[in-house]
Amino acid sequence: GAGVSQSPSNKVTEKGKDVELRCDPISGHTALYWYRQRLGQGLEFLIYFQGNSAPDKSGLPSDRFSAERTGESVSTLTIQRTQQEDSAVYLCASSSTVPGGYTFGSGTRLTVV
Amino acid sequence: QKEVEQDPGPLSVPEGAIVSLNCTYSNSAFQYFMWYRQYSRKGPELLMYTYSSGNKEDGRFTAQVDKSSKYISLFIRDSQPSDSATYLCAPAGSGGYQKVTFGTGTKLQVIP
Repeated sequence: GAGVSQSPSNKVTEKGKDVELRCDPISGHTALYWYRQRLGQGLEFLIYFQGNSAPDKSGLPSDRFSAERTGESVSTLTIQRTQQEDSAVYLCASSSTVPGGYTFGSGTRLTVV
Repeated sequence: QKEVEQDPGPLSVPEGAIVSLNCTYSNSAFQYFMWYRQYSRKGPELLMYTYSSGNKEDGRFTAQVDKSSKYISLFIRDSQPSDSATYLCAPAGSGGYQKVTFGTGTKLQVIP
């Protein structure tokens, strides 16, 4: 596609439920990244994919967070047993060079109530 | 100490002013230096991309890197209300995978 697409754009979930966030990168971009941005805060790195492998998942905050990627395509970030502190905007980015300019999606705004 | 330090602002300037946005960093391995602009409720967008020390100009924007002092700057000339956004500096290393480290961003408001 023309840009990085994320869905849903907004998600409200009850504490304790599982959520899945989806990212469609730019076609041909081999690198994919997930970041979290809490209200008024900077970008917090979560995980990096090169193709469908994740050589750097050092930013995942707990074992409730997991991510997978199908080939050089769609990625899904899953948060199990959501907590209120998980409320944030989850941003996905892709790039064709490493390091390189990332193209970000508009994010998924997650609210845990 | 954070790897990248950036004054969060907010910074308010009148339209037409020259704006200077700055970052300091601690990791001497950083070789690539980027600036991203983030409008409210949007994802960041790449604004400037430079390699190593020196200046790079693109229209009203100039990025400056001084690796000896680990200091990164972004200058905006003839600032416009449409420049109102949060600006994030983002250095990265070189050689294989080196993830980009983002500053916390400086919020800029250009007043008409």
